[in-house]
Amino acid sequence: DAKTTQPNSMESNEEEPVHLPCNHSTISGTDYIHWYRQLPSQGPEYVIHGLTSNVNNRMASLAIAEDRKSSTLILHRATLRDAAVYYCILRESGTYKYIFGTGTRLKVLA
Amino acid sequence: DTGVSQDPRHKITKRGQNVTFRCDPISEHNRLYWYRQTLGQGPEFLTYFQNEAQLEKSRLLSDRFSAERPKGSFSTLEIQRTEQGDSAMYLCASSQTGGSGEQYFGPGTRLTVT
Repeated sequence: DAKTTQPNSMESNEEEPVHLPCNHSTISGTDYIHWYRQLPSQGPEYVIHGLTSNVNNRMASLAIAEDRKSSTLILHRATLRDAAVYYCILRESGTYKYIFGTGTRLKVLA
Repeated sequence: DTGVSQDPRHKITKRGQNVTFRCDPISEHNRLYWYRQTLGQGPEFLTYFQNEAQLEKSRLLSDRFSAERPKGSFSTLEIQRTEQGDSAMYLCASSQTGGSGEQYFGPGTRLTVT
């Protein structure tokens, strides 16, 4: 089964960059790496996704290791509104099943 | 608001009762997912629809759970003979075919079985 491993929690100071790591050693060659975040009392929200190359969008950047067995979500300047649980997700190969782990709870300090 | 909506937002039921939840996806989205989330855990995949066809169902889903998506629009998730272990947040998400497969999640239905 596809599986991701993330630290349970991280802290960051406001206005500083945050690097959220994820290990996905079982990833297959054609699977995208997805990141979602979940704010308190809300459903998850899409952040970014990538396959092989590093990706940037208005919310974050995604750095993918050359062997694709790990990736890092980068928030360039953390704000208090970025406090959430961040999930690194894979789709199980050959299925439509997306596997969420337990995620990383990000705390942003003012 | 054109996002994913779910109804009801909260449901309290007694053990053994049946419950049904509804999800209205974003109108042009043909893919629909149901997830279950318990406290402190990430969402757990339950089932997937492409239009009206249920193409994927978790092996963890007991036969007390059934989902439908008639006409490929809204979807319902029914739990029969509820148990206390069914207490959780039930999330619905929708997406378009192709592209990034970005899923848009609804606010969820919180089920409490007493």
